[in-house]
Amino acid sequence: GNSVTQMEGPVTLSEEAFLTINCTYTATGYPSLFWYVQYPGEGLQLLLKATKADDKGSNKGFEATYRKETTSFHLEKGSVQVSDSAVYFCALGTYTDKLIFGTGTRLQVFP
Amino acid sequence: EAGVTQSPTHLIKTRGQQATLRCSPISGHTSVYWYQQALGLGLQFLLWYDEGEERNRGNFPPRFSGRQFPNYSSELNVNALELEDSALYLCASTPPGITDTQYFGPGTRLTVL
Repeated sequence: GNSVTQMEGPVTLSEEAFLTINCTYTATGYPSLFWYVQYPGEGLQLLLKATKADDKGSNKGFEATYRKETTSFHLEKGSVQVSDSAVYFCALGTYTDKLIFGTGTRLQVFP
Repeated sequence: EAGVTQSPTHLIKTRGQQATLRCSPISGHTSVYWYQQALGLGLQFLLWYDEGEERNRGNFPPRFSGRQFPNYSSELNVNALELEDSALYLCASTPPGITDTQYFGPGTRLTVL
């Protein structure tokens, strides 16, 4: 079946450091891939998405590239800010219904 | 454009009671999805409603149920509450014909004492 595996957190970084959060997936067919972010006490916000192989999703300085050969969708940002502190979820979507989420990775950025 | 809204923000119940959670999708969206985010368990798919019909449900007991109204808003009902039902319940919506790009509301935090 379909599944998503994310790196364990928390990830702790200093401001302006480079961020990578790993995400790999298992899927039949050709899923869409997503990164959602959850700030403390809030719901999920769609951060970026990619719908086919080699697509790059980007938003607010974050990027992720849909790599079919490595079944990965790693999230990167060149210079994190304290305001980026949140929980990040990688998710897989198909044309059926539900999204399948990874377990989430907590990012803590210190000044 | 208003996003997905959910009410109430917080709900406190005792074991055995019933809880009703409400969701209003983004205008023009016809599908509503419910997820449970319990501590330590990540996000689990609960239910999908589209055009007033239940299209799919996740691996939850029948005491989790819901409905979708003609205006596409939705209700999630949880009967015979158990302590482990304490969680953040998230609602998401999508426009017609789209199922993968889902837009989430802020959630309802249900606490069962």
